[in-house]
Amino acid sequence: DAGVIQSPRHEVTEMGQEVTLRCKPISGHDYLFWYRQTMMRGLELLIYFNNNVPIDDSGMPEDRFSAKMPNASFSTLKIQPSEPRDSAVYFCASSPLNEKLFFGSGTQLSVL
Amino acid sequence: GESVGLHLPTLSVQEGDNSIINCAYSNSASDYFIWYKQESGKGPQFIIDIRSNMDKRQGQRVTVLLNKTVKHLSLQIAATQPGDSAVYFCAENKIQGAQKLVFGQGTRLTINP
Repeated sequence: DAGVIQSPRHEVTEMGQEVTLRCKPISGHDYLFWYRQTMMRGLELLIYFNNNVPIDDSGMPEDRFSAKMPNASFSTLKIQPSEPRDSAVYFCASSPLNEKLFFGSGTQLSVL
Repeated sequence: GESVGLHLPTLSVQEGDNSIINCAYSNSASDYFIWYKQESGKGPQFIIDIRSNMDKRQGQRVTVLLNKTVKHLSLQIAATQPGDSAVYFCAENKIQGAQKLVFGQGTRLTINP
């Protein structure tokens, strides 16, 4: 298995632009998580899905952030409009149970 | 509230020595704990986990110790190698229910040649 696949690896955009991050979880994993990592706040859980259904989105910073999981093999995290304070590394992770998470390589987002 | 913290933000050890990374947690309801390793430019990588019905678990060169009385978790790495240099995170969760995996801030381990 190729593991959790995220794209793009790096994204540089200007303030106000829409950003879409993509994730392909490990096949057979029922849980998918989106995390954000910054030096100041560490790893923060944004949202997670179980069987494609959003379970907890209390970590989503504000309405500018949205996440979808249209099927078991794909999820997106969208920021619209983006702001400089959104600059961070965004990780997607999947899990067969709500226990051990397998992380992707992350998307380094820079909003100028 | 839920929080997981680390006693030391950085740790340096000589290659070949053993290292111990500590972690304190505050949620007494947590019953599942994980250690992750994160190398520069990569996502966190699972190292070892332990459930609350155990106080020790061993893997290859790594041992996790859990002290529920004082809510303390530690990761021991034996015979450290240059490849062990990374940031190590502890995380806690509750098996039953839809609890979130809560990560600590991390400890940077540096292996000196």
